Amino acid sequence: ETGVTQTPRHLVMGMTNKKSLKCEQHLGHNAMYWYKQSAKKPLELMFVYNFKEQTENNSVPSRFSPECPNSSHLFLHLHTLQPEDSALYLCASSQDGRAPETQYFGPGTRLLVL
Amino acid sequence: EDQVTQSPEALRLQEGESSSLNCSYTVSGLRGLFWYRQDPGKGPEFLFTLYSAGEEKEKERLKATLTKKESFLHITAPKPEDSATYLCAVQGGEYGNKLVFGAGTILRVKS
Repeated sequence: ETGVTQTPRHLVMGMTNKKSLKCEQHLGHNAMYWYKQSAKKPLELMFVYNFKEQTENNSVPSRFSPECPNSSHLFLHLHTLQPEDSALYLCASSQDGRAPETQYFGPGTRLLVL
Repeated sequence: EDQVTQSPEALRLQEGESSSLNCSYTVSGLRGLFWYRQDPGKGPEFLFTLYSAGEEKEKERLKATLTKKESFLHITAPKPEDSATYLCAVQGGEYGNKLVFGAGTILRVKS
């Protein structure tokens, strides 16, 4: 595997379900990010982790819970989501989380909440 | 308030018809401006980083330029495979280390 990988690629869940999204980066980076991309809206930053520590929570509802066990892996735990949470969830990584720095994205997880 | 605005929202070109996409920003203290390409259902693919006014970078049919207020992505003699959404993002100003994106330009190139 190379770059940034995400699983699953597609997910359908009910509002009462609990699921998790997984991201893994193979680039030796120390910063990882979760973004939400809704139709016809700019990418929205959700969370930032630097060296496994959360450094940014962009006012994200508590029904989204991130976890970063090490610098290579990032999870997004989902519970009691709403239909408006349906979107493409993108993971990204960068070297150290300092500007200016290029972020590299995974392919995303397409989430549909019924 | 710092802002990133891309225009046009959508652009249709004939194969070989050159054009430019615009990204205007009002970030003070720009640290970097990034261009990405995104195909439907996929994550953004990194194209260029520009750091200071006057800088230019090229890759195949694409050339990115930067001024103090805006960046252009010039597409020369585009091909159908250049069809994608092109995203601009900035770091700096009130955003700090965050990467803040514009809404994107959807490009369609017809053969």
